[in-house]
Amino acid sequence: AQRVTQPEKLLSVFKGAPVELKCNYSYSGSPELFWYVQYSRQRLQLLLRHISRESIKGFTADLNKGETSFHLKKPFAQEEDSAMYYCALSPQGGSEKLVFGKGTKLTVNP
Amino acid sequence: GAGVSQSPRYKVAKRGQDVALRCDPISGHVSLFWYQQALGQGPEFLTYFQNEAQLDKSGLPSDRFFAERPEGSVSTLKIQRTQQEDSAVYLCASSSLLGLAGSDTQYFGPGTRLTVL
Repeated sequence: AQRVTQPEKLLSVFKGAPVELKCNYSYSGSPELFWYVQYSRQRLQLLLRHISRESIKGFTADLNKGETSFHLKKPFAQEEDSAMYYCALSPQGGSEKLVFGKGTKLTVNP
Repeated sequence: GAGVSQSPRYKVAKRGQDVALRCDPISGHVSLFWYQQALGQGPEFLTYFQNEAQLDKSGLPSDRFFAERPEGSVSTLKIQRTQQEDSAVYLCASSSLLGLAGSDTQYFGPGTRLTVL
């Protein structure tokens, strides 16, 4: 079964502090992993994907196949990072449907 | 260019009514997806189209849910005899790849919030 687990429903940090949003997945093949973000009153949008190995808005995420994790990290959080973050996987081949976690609401306090 | 659009943005239905939700994907996008997002949950896959062909409908929760994309562009998600448990945000997404090996970015619409009374 394909499953994405985000253990933290809420995460609160202060501006300038490091932040890590956890994501674990369960899938027997080699999925593609994504982080999507939804800012207040905006639509869901792609933040980053593991195959591109990019750093977007200072965020990075490393796929750890041994631990089946894809944690999202940023060394210095900004107030504008406050949003809902969803980890998602796409099974290998065929339909590109996304399997989402339940999301983590990040609040960055001034 | 314009992104994915959905209409209506909000829909209130009485239990037992039929509803139709529309999605206009990004022009030229081959793949179209529908997701259901209940309150406090992540989006859950409903169905997937490649052009006009519905290739995966494994996520549709019951035979009351029906989706179509007759000309390979606009799609409609229809829910018959709505129930309270159908209350959710319905998201549409489109992408440009054909659904072969690898995945392309899915661009999401703003969603339709359905409330069934």
